[in-house]
Amino acid sequence: EPEVTQTPSHQVTQMGQEVILRCVPISNHLYFYWYRQILGQKVEFLVSFYNNEISEKSEIFDDQFSVERPDGSNFTLKIRSTKLEDSAMYFCASSEIRGQETQYFGPGTRLLVL
Amino acid sequence: KQEVTQIPAALSVPEGENLVLNCSFTDSAIYNLQWFRQDPGKGLTSLLLIQSSQREQTSGRLNASLDKSSGRSTLYIAASQPGDSATYLCAVKSYNTDKLIFGTGTRLQVFP
Repeated sequence: EPEVTQTPSHQVTQMGQEVILRCVPISNHLYFYWYRQILGQKVEFLVSFYNNEISEKSEIFDDQFSVERPDGSNFTLKIRSTKLEDSAMYFCASSEIRGQETQYFGPGTRLLVL
Repeated sequence: KQEVTQIPAALSVPEGENLVLNCSFTDSAIYNLQWFRQDPGKGLTSLLLIQSSQREQTSGRLNASLDKSSGRSTLYIAASQPGDSATYLCAVKSYNTDKLIFGTGTRLQVFP
């Protein structure tokens, strides 16, 4: 069964460093999402992406965040200058049709900022 | 602003019991509602999706119902097994937005 994959599974970085989290959505899906979950808290929406542009973003998704689909398969989240409070599990998701169908989630990348 | 609440926060039951997990949301104008399972330190596995026009969905031992007018959904798990132990999350999607809004989850433990 097709699934969303994410790399790396874990990343440790120093505060102020740039990180890129990578995702490979399900191949025939057209809508892509990033969510995050700070330890012990709710899963929160960051951004949605369609047709090579951001379609919606939350107030969390400020200028230090960016997303890109650099080729036909990968979808990336870049954090330009990490802060301690960026430590969280980051989930990528994809769906075939906007809003109408299940969003399928990847296994997540656990980011720890020291 | 949509708020999603799940009760109970934790539940521990013996194997074989039928159980009900509850999800409530403050704005009844939802587009759909999705139930997920999350194992410790892992990703989210989609269990069931209910469109706003539907009343329930079933998959194996799982049955999810939706009462939009009262802002509630329930996940019914029949004949629980130790392998059902996980955190169960509900998430709602409203109109004119892409995002899912999640509840805090119910942590379920089924003991042999």
